[in-house]
Amino acid sequence: EVQLVQSGGVVVQPGGSLRLSCAVSGFTFDDYAMYWVRQAPGKGLEWVSLTSWDGGRKDYSDSVKGRFTISRDNNKNSLYLQMNSLKPEDTALYYCARGRRGELLRPSFDYWGQGTLVTVSS
Amino acid sequence: DIQMTQSPSSVSASLGDTVTITCRASQGIGSWLAWYQLTPGQAPKLLIYRASTLQSGVPSRFSGSGSGTDFTLTINNLQPEDFVTYYCQQADTIPYTFGRGTQLQIK
Repeated sequence: EVQLVQSGGVVVQPGGSLRLSCAVSGFTFDDYAMYWVRQAPGKGLEWVSLTSWDGGRKDYSDSVKGRFTISRDNNKNSLYLQMNSLKPEDTALYYCARGRRGELLRPSFDYWGQGTLVTVSS
Repeated sequence: DIQMTQSPSSVSASLGDTVTITCRASQGIGSWLAWYQLTPGQAPKLLIYRASTLQSGVPSRFSGSGSGTDFTLTINNLQPEDFVTYYCQQADTIPYTFGRGTQLQIK
């Protein structure tokens, strides 16, 4: 069974940092590109970042570029999102998601984690 | 960025009805479109990819069509578990963008 298990929610002050994690099981992790998608309260979905199977290709939305860093550890079957210089507008439910195999740059997301609520507030 | 205009934002229907949700891209995206179902408290679920391909395990009452800029998601014979929120997503160009969602409400 494919599972993506995310770390718990957290409150962080503006300007602070946080690392989200997503532990996967049930599939060969290094066969797949992985993604982060977020949903602000009462809002729609927003793609945040992608990493290729080996971490060689990474991309970010303009809203997080320069502040967030995606990474993966294929030995630990884990995906990460390092979030720095956090702003109140980064408050959202953050999902990790798997891209369908072979669709790195034209992905549909076939499995999702349960989400991690990040609240940026003083 | 490619803008995805999804409509309606909400729709009311009865059990057994058929509903259609539309998504229009601000530029051509070929068939690089996916549809998702979001149920509160659950992980999002992929329903349709490449505009019309049903994801494994998804009931056949869901179907997708379209190419270029205009796409539709059709749900036949509505069941109680279908009354949640649906999103389209273009997969053609970074940044991947989503529609604003359609909330399906029971009449």
